[in-house]
Amino acid sequence: GAVVSQHPSWVICKSGTSVKIECRSLDFQATTMFWYRQFPKQSLMLMATSNEGSKATYEQGVEKDKFLINHASLTLSTLTVTSAHPEDSSFYICSAKGTSDYEQYFGPGTRLTVT
Amino acid sequence: GQNIDQPTEMTATEGAIVQINCTYQTSGFNGLFWYQQHAGEAPTFLSYNVLDGLEEKGRFSSFLSRSKGYSYLLLKELQMKDSASYLCAVRDSNYQLIWGAGTKLIIKP
Repeated sequence: GAVVSQHPSWVICKSGTSVKIECRSLDFQATTMFWYRQFPKQSLMLMATSNEGSKATYEQGVEKDKFLINHASLTLSTLTVTSAHPEDSSFYICSAKGTSDYEQYFGPGTRLTVT
Repeated sequence: GQNIDQPTEMTATEGAIVQINCTYQTSGFNGLFWYQQHAGEAPTFLSYNVLDGLEEKGRFSSFLSRSKGYSYLLLKELQMKDSASYLCAVRDSNYQLIWGAGTKLIIKP
């Protein structure tokens, strides 16, 4: 099956700094990628949808200037958490939509801890 | 508003059968998905239903009734490794996935 990777798998950063998370589709081209965050014991919350070569579409309540998303190629999307705060600590998961109409392939997730 | 309901937690015995229910109210319907998520890991795809009826895939089966806004995931011959959260998600008219909160399944020996 299709493989999606994320890097880093976990990161600890200090409050006020920025962190970039990469999401790559390894063996297929992903025209659409999704970014989710998940708090412990809670469901996935869609943050934004990114299409290659265009601006990301953010969900209501998600600050686009704080969570910068770039989908520069058909295999790479990045999420940058700017001026991170402890409340941004979460599990961030990306997924990519391939040519199949019904499957989304998830990356392994990135655990962010802001101290 | 859009809503997906599933039980918070269920307990079952190794070797037994368990059914996890999911009811939904969404703006449009373009398929229902079941995912398995182990603690600390990303979800993995289990099944997809877009037409009414039962889809069987090994030990796992998924059922859909669109008129009732209802689905279930059936797990047979339970194994300890099946202990995980099971997420129900519906794709709405905008082709966005609406997620349930997940059902934590605990398997006891």
